[in-house]
Amino acid sequence: DTGVSQNPRHKITKRGQNVTFRCDPISEHNRLYWYRQTLGQGPEFLTYFQNEAQLEKSRLLSDRFSAERPKGSFSTLEIQRTEQGDSAMYLCASSPDRGEEKLFFGSGTQLSVL
Amino acid sequence: GESVGLHLPTLSVQEGDNSIINCAYSNSASDYFIWYKQESGKGPQFIIDIRSNMDKRQGQRVTVLLNKTVKHLSLQIAATQPGDSAVYFCAENINGYALNFGKGTSLLVTP
Repeated sequence: DTGVSQNPRHKITKRGQNVTFRCDPISEHNRLYWYRQTLGQGPEFLTYFQNEAQLEKSRLLSDRFSAERPKGSFSTLEIQRTEQGDSAMYLCASSPDRGEEKLFFGSGTQLSVL
Repeated sequence: GESVGLHLPTLSVQEGDNSIINCAYSNSASDYFIWYKQESGKGPQFIIDIRSNMDKRQGQRVTVLLNKTVKHLSLQIAATQPGDSAVYFCAENINGYALNFGKGTSLLVTP
């Protein structure tokens, strides 16, 4: 499978715990995106990377959230001190370069904070 | 504020009929639009896209129409099939790097 891969698919955690999600983009894709989606809503942009550089962050990305892409390949999204409001689907997407605006999405990680 | 929105939250059509899903946008500077299909438990899947220098683009069983005068985008699905049942999102590229999504329309295809 050469699509965008996300792990885990589901995560249940208790409020206050830290969680980390992983995204493996399509090989050779330079751009990597994180989106969040709540029930009945469209995906909301969180942040994106051009290779290993994090170029933009949404206001939705509070200081409890941190994303990394250390080698310009896979990325991790960490949420510290989770809150119930963090419960959502976290989607990762990738695209080849600036000339390609179409994003290829993974299946997401569904986070439930109890 | 500037946003992408959909006229109808749900749409029910009979198998074999044509479906039309509408979307309004307010950012006149947007130059790229895209439609995604999302099935339950899956990520959005690309359907078709269009640039602002075009009015119409066709794919396999799908057509996207862009009316820049009234800032309206539509997705037409011909001969709708049960497998087309999903939530459909329109999105626009507003800043050159990220897509801004609307809320989505749920399409239900009945036999």
